[in-house]
Amino acid sequence: AQSVTQPDIHITVSEGASLELRCNYSYGATPYLFWYVQSPGQGLQLLLKYFSGDTLVQGIKGFEAEFKRSQSSFNLRKPSVHWSDAAEYFCAVGPPHGSSNTGKLIFGQGTTLQVKP
Amino acid sequence: DAGVTQSPTHLIKTRGQQVTLRCSPKSGHDTVSWYQQALGQGPQFIFQYYEEEERQRGNFPDRFSGHQFPNYSSELNVNALLLGDSALYLCASSTGPKERNNSPLHFGNGTRLTVT
Repeated sequence: AQSVTQPDIHITVSEGASLELRCNYSYGATPYLFWYVQSPGQGLQLLLKYFSGDTLVQGIKGFEAEFKRSQSSFNLRKPSVHWSDAAEYFCAVGPPHGSSNTGKLIFGQGTTLQVKP
Repeated sequence: DAGVTQSPTHLIKTRGQQVTLRCSPKSGHDTVSWYQQALGQGPQFIFQYYEEEERQRGNFPDRFSGHQFPNYSSELNVNALLLGDSALYLCASSTGPKERNNSPLHFGNGTRLTVT
């Protein structure tokens, strides 16, 4: 079955500290991979995506993620967290390139990031 | 450049009633997908509309139905509301499947539906 697991429901880090949010997926083929961020009362904003090629992808707001095929993981990282990064983060997978099933993403349960001053 | 817009932002309904939620896609997008996000959960795919037809459907009952108009806007209808239908309903737009480029979804801010 296709699924996304975000093992950490809640993470607290100090401002200026580094961050890593974990994401593992189960999918029949190498899917497209996404990280979205959701602030309270808001929709989801795309942070970054991986389609193919270089396994380290850069996103907005200083975030990056690394795709590791052998581990079926796509972890999100940021070297120095800012208080404004406090939000809910979702990892998602979608069908591979060339598929007609675009739009049907499978989301993880989310990780809530709290930033201590 | 207007993004994805949804209306209304909040809605309170009673069990058994029917509700219609509306979505206008981002300019240049022709495909609309709907997601349900229960409290504390990730979004779950309901269905997708392209060329005014339902193209894909997630694991939701027939009480959930939709429509897409020639201007690409879309409606989500839910009949016979249950308490469990209380959630944030998100609309997302993208370019069509024929592009086969998995254009990323752009999400609206959602409609918060409360069923009492």
